[in-house]
This record gives sequence, C-alpha cells and structure tokens, in this order.
Amino acid sequence: AQSVTQLDSHVSVSEGTPVLLRCNYSSSYSPSLFWYVQHPNKGLQLLLKYTSAATLVKGINGFEAEFKKSETSFHLTKPSAHMSDAAEYFCVVSEPGGYNKLIFGAGTRLAVHP
Amino acid sequence: DTGVSQDPRHKITKRGQNVTFRCDPISEHNRLYWYRQTLGQGPEFLTYFQNEAQLEKSRLLSDRFSAERPKGSFSTLEIQRTEQGDSAMYLCASSPTGDTRSPLHFGNGTRLTVT
Repeated sequence: AQSVTQLDSHVSVSEGTPVLLRCNYSSSYSPSLFWYVQHPNKGLQLLLKYTSAATLVKGINGFEAEFKKSETSFHLTKPSAHMSDAAEYFCVVSEPGGYNKLIFGAGTRLAVHP
Repeated sequence: DTGVSQDPRHKITKRGQNVTFRCDPISEHNRLYWYRQTLGQGPEFLTYFQNEAQLEKSRLLSDRFSAERPKGSFSTLEIQRTEQGDSAMYLCASSPTGDTRSPLHFGNGTRLTVT
C-alpha cells in the first residue's frame, strides 16, 4: 500500500532563508507524487507534481522538489522564504488504479518569521 | 473555470441531527471526490464518483454517511444522526480524467461542528 511520511510537523524559518520540508514515501509501484499547500480558510492548491519524468520538479511560487528513488524521498525546497509562504504543506502520493485516489501525509506547518 | 464550490462553508449542528453538504465541481469534470480532514491531519479519502456512478467508498464512510451525484454534475454528502466525532472539514475535489497527471482541484471545504 502507498503511504507518505512527513518528517516534521512544524518548521520555522526566517524570511529570506531556505525552506526544506521533508517527505518519505512508500510505494510498491513507480509513484506519482505531489505537494499541496493549504492556507488558512482556503482550499488545497497544487504546488507541483512528479509523474516519472524529470526527477527535479519545479512548481509555483519558487518551490521545487527532487524525487530520489534510492532514498524514497520527495523533499520540498525553496531558496528564500517569503512571509506569504506560511501555510500547511502536504506531501501526497497517488494510488495506482487510474482514478487519482490521493493519499495525504499528516502535513507540515511552515511558519515564516520576519 | 470558476473552481470547485462547496456549500455551506460552515455548519454547526447538534448531535443526532442530519446534515447535507453540496459540492459543485468544475464544469465538465467527470470525476468527483470527497475527503475528510480532521484537525492536525491530512485529508482522508471518503468516496469517488465517475459521472453519476459511485465507484469506491472508504471504510471511513459508515452507514450514516451517504453520497450522491444524481446527474453527474453536483454532489451531495449527507450525514445522518451526527456524532461529535463527525466534526471535521469535508473537502470536495474534481478532475477531468483519472490520469494521475491530471491534478485534483479542491474546493474550500465545509467545516462541520457537532455539539
């Protein structure tokens, strides 16, 4: 069965410093992996997706993630945090079967301090 | 593309009452999903429709829960005899196909509080 583990429930950074949100996955298949962001009182928004093309995936708002099969990881990074990046981030794996059933991690809350 | 719309945004109800939520997907999206998100957790899959057919239901969806999508457009999720444990955010999402390269589009959710 597919699953994802987000290694940090909370991450706090200063504005302008790098962001690293860690995610490990478990999958018997070649997975499709996603990062979604959820701002307070807002819906989930897709940041980026990996679907077996390039292992380094670029997303919106300067975020990117690297798929590392040997480490079963899909960590999310951003070179320089902005105050508006403060939100909940979810690492997600798609269950095979053809209909996009998503399995979410528990989430990482990112705080950005001035 | 007006996005996925959910109604109401908030619902407060007393234990034992029935509640119904509505989801309007992006037009022409034939796939519709319901998820539930409790405080401090990621969303959990509840059920999935392709057009009007309900193709999968999670074990999380007890007999008190029923979902419909009668004409393959909007969907409703009803909870009968609500319990305090039903308090959560209920999220609806839609997608145009089942291809994993086609992302899900989520609504803003309905927050249910059972007192």
